[in-house]
Amino acid sequence: ETGVTQTPRHLVMGMTNKKSLKCEQHLGHNAMYWYKQSAKKPLELMFVYNFKEQTENNSVPSRFSPECPNSSHLFLHLHTLQPEDSALYLCASSQDSLAGGGWQYFGPGTRLTVT
Amino acid sequence: AQSVAQPEDQVNVAEGNPLTVKCTYSVSGNPYLFWYVQYPNRGLQFLLKYITGDNLVKGSYGFEAEFNKSQTSFHLKKPSALVSDSALYFCAVRDDDYKLSFGAGTTVTVRA
Repeated sequence: ETGVTQTPRHLVMGMTNKKSLKCEQHLGHNAMYWYKQSAKKPLELMFVYNFKEQTENNSVPSRFSPECPNSSHLFLHLHTLQPEDSALYLCASSQDSLAGGGWQYFGPGTRLTVT
Repeated sequence: AQSVAQPEDQVNVAEGNPLTVKCTYSVSGNPYLFWYVQYPNRGLQFLLKYITGDNLVKGSYGFEAEFNKSQTSFHLKKPSALVSDSALYFCAVRDDDYKLSFGAGTTVTVRA
């Protein structure tokens, strides 16, 4: 479980705020992922980075902006969010997005509440 | 595009009884199937996977899953459930590309 860490664990923000979620993996992986988990719905893949390059943007609104400065760190910058964006945001990593797809290691998530 | 369905939102069993969590899948190519478990306030943990080979796959914590190609199913099973198995279980499928598609999850409650 400590292989992938996420901060903060909980975040409450207003619709006009700007905040960032941070993910760090200590597994030597080369691919990192952002997922959105809403109650009673399947996990939604948001972004994929493979060797620091974004390889997937799953039609995510521009108010979510990812950043991957290196293979160990992944950020999700948030601005002018909507209440429906409230969810658990999960970060995951794998060896790489092609060979490791499926065998992903997940962080504990950030519980985001937009007021 | 690939997808999975978990037809049951909730499964309730008594401790010591067999546990089954159902999953059916749809893929256009070769299926790569996975089960993950999520305990309260924790991230998803990998349980087991099917890539190829034996249809019965054994995983962590005494869980196993049976791949059935004709029924396009990949049900998760445990012969004797424990209270500590109470959690949210996700089935996932990966097609020939790298993306995982998850089911909506099944909440398992094991009562003492």
